[in-house]
Amino acid sequence: GAGVSQSPSNKVTEKGKDVELRCDPISGHTALYWYRQSLGQGLEFLIYFQGNSAPDKSGLPSDRFSAERTGGSVSTLTIQRTQQEDSAVYLCASSLERAHEQYFGPGTRLTVT
Amino acid sequence: AQSVAQPEDQVNVAEGNPLTVKCTYSVSGNPYLFWYVQYPNRGLQFLLKYITGDNLVKGSYGFEAEFNKSQTSFHLKKPSALVSDSALYFCAVRDYRADKLSFGAGTTVTVRA
Repeated sequence: GAGVSQSPSNKVTEKGKDVELRCDPISGHTALYWYRQSLGQGLEFLIYFQGNSAPDKSGLPSDRFSAERTGGSVSTLTIQRTQQEDSAVYLCASSLERAHEQYFGPGTRLTVT
Repeated sequence: AQSVAQPEDQVNVAEGNPLTVKCTYSVSGNPYLFWYVQYPNRGLQFLLKYITGDNLVKGSYGFEAEFNKSQTSFHLKKPSALVSDSALYFCAVRDYRADKLSFGAGTTVTVRA
């Protein structure tokens, strides 16, 4: 079946602009996660959605970052007033429930110039 | 709190030799442990997991991992490495009560022909 998809695959933006990154999880997966992977570093947890529960936003680095998940499926990660340090690969993952392994999308490479 | 350590940034082996990638973890409760692999310009792929049961877990592509509670380790192993196993490997852990995974910094594996 179809895996996790993310769009765009690459995004180049100017400092100060807003960007939106999209994630389509695997159908039927109730849990959705966003991570950030900076060059040469591991994965940094950003936010977690589980069903209709309030999201766990504890990993968001600043109030410029926000995310929503509509209808329990598609999720959008928004970064306002982008800064150069926001440049990274943003990965989305989904799982059946929180106990299960996560399946990752290919990521969106964000470059802030 | 939960955390993962991958003590080796890089592992180099010759094709046909055994491959081991080390991982140690720290959680306050029972751990759920995972290994993922990332090929260049690709998202993370799930390899295997330990939730409960046998300490030796078998996964994709001939990989296995051994859970050792006393040493708080979950090392990834492959008896005979292939050049195609060259990639970045991540160990991840979460406490069974937690929602999010904590990832190690990753280990780059290079298998030479």
